[in-house]
Parts: sequence; structure tokens; C-alpha cells
Amino acid sequence: NAGVMQNPRHLVRRRGQEARLRCSPMKGHSHVYWYRQLPEEGLKFMVYLQKENIIDESGMPKERFSAEFPKEGPSILRIQQVVRGDSAAYFCASSPLDRGTDTQYFGPGTRLTVL
Amino acid sequence: SQQGEEDPQALSIQEGENATMNCSYKTSINNLQWYRQNSGRGLVHLILIRSNEREKHSGRLRVTLDTSKKSSSLLITASRAADTASYFCATDARSGGSNYKLTFGKGTLLTVNP
Repeated sequence: NAGVMQNPRHLVRRRGQEARLRCSPMKGHSHVYWYRQLPEEGLKFMVYLQKENIIDESGMPKERFSAEFPKEGPSILRIQQVVRGDSAAYFCASSPLDRGTDTQYFGPGTRLTVL
Repeated sequence: SQQGEEDPQALSIQEGENATMNCSYKTSINNLQWYRQNSGRGLVHLILIRSNEREKHSGRLRVTLDTSKKSSSLLITASRAADTASYFCATDARSGGSNYKLTFGKGTLLTVNP
């Protein structure tokens, strides 16, 4: 049973470009969470999605960031017009339940570097 | 202190010794989880302890939870060089309907010297 998969593992973008990060949850999991980790920091919640629905995006910047989890295919975190401050590791997690009473399983992360 | 704050920030021990890391939090929780992160890698789930549990074991790991003090500890016994990693506690919030939202501390960097 494959774990949470993320790609790409490393992404380099120049300022102003777009970054698209993909996450495939574990088989049987229908809940996806995105977290961001800045250097020397813990993970910070960004957004929680179920299939075709954004449940909570309170941790996501209002501008330039968007997330989706379509009926078919992976969840996508999209960052438009990237800036240097967007450089971070972005982790996706999935769980079978939405009430936090079950473990969230994390992917290996995508390390975004903005030049 | 912030929710899910670990201490010490860094811990260096010799192989075979025990390592104890602590976590404090501020709000009521349903669960507390410990994760490990090797340098530049993703997070590996270690153990989940529920708010009605006081102690839990998994292999060489022992986790305690004191909800009255809003604190938890992670003990790794007979440490190995491969245990070298950052360890994070993560809490969820019992109230507000957002108990899926894990809050992480900055972690404890454990170095186990061979």
C-alpha cells in the first residue's frame, strides 16, 4: 500500500513564475491537508480539502495561493507569481477521517526554492 | 509558549543512552501525536496518544500525557545513531470544530553519537 506521494520532490522557480505541487493521498483516504515548513520551523497548517471541496483554507495566504482536490487525480497546491518568501518545504498529509481522531500520514514533501 | 512547543531545542547523547523530549501545549486537545523528521525528509508518524490515555508504548518509545499540565514527553530508550532526527509533537484542538488542524512546535533536534 503506497504512502502519500508528492511530486516533484524539488522545484526551482524564478520570481514571478508559477509553482504547482501535487499530492496523491494514501489509498482509501479522502481527506487531504497541506502544511508549509519554513527553515528551522515546525509545520504550519495551510488548507484542508475533501474531494471537490475546500473545507478550511484559513492557513493559506489570501493572494497567489490556491488548492484543489478534484474528483479524479491528485490534489494540487498552486502558487502564482512566486516570491522568495515562498521558499519552503510543502507537505501534504492524508487521513481516512476528518475529525482529527485518526493519524495524518505525511508525504515526503516538495522543497520549493525561489530564485 | 505556543501550542505544541518542544523542549529542549537540541539534545545530544551517546548511543545506548535514553533520550527524553518534552512538549507543552495551551488548549484542550483530542489527541497528541509525535513525529520524526530526518534531515531534509518527510515526517514519519511515531505514536498517537488520546486525551484519555496517560501512557503509551511502542517498541523503544514511551509517551506520556498529562492533560492537567498540558504536557507530554517522548522517551526513546537505548538510543541508536539512526534515531538522529528532529522530533515534533503535534496537537489538535478539541474545540472550534477544527480538530483536524494539527499544530506543530519547532521540534527537538536529537543527535545520537556512535
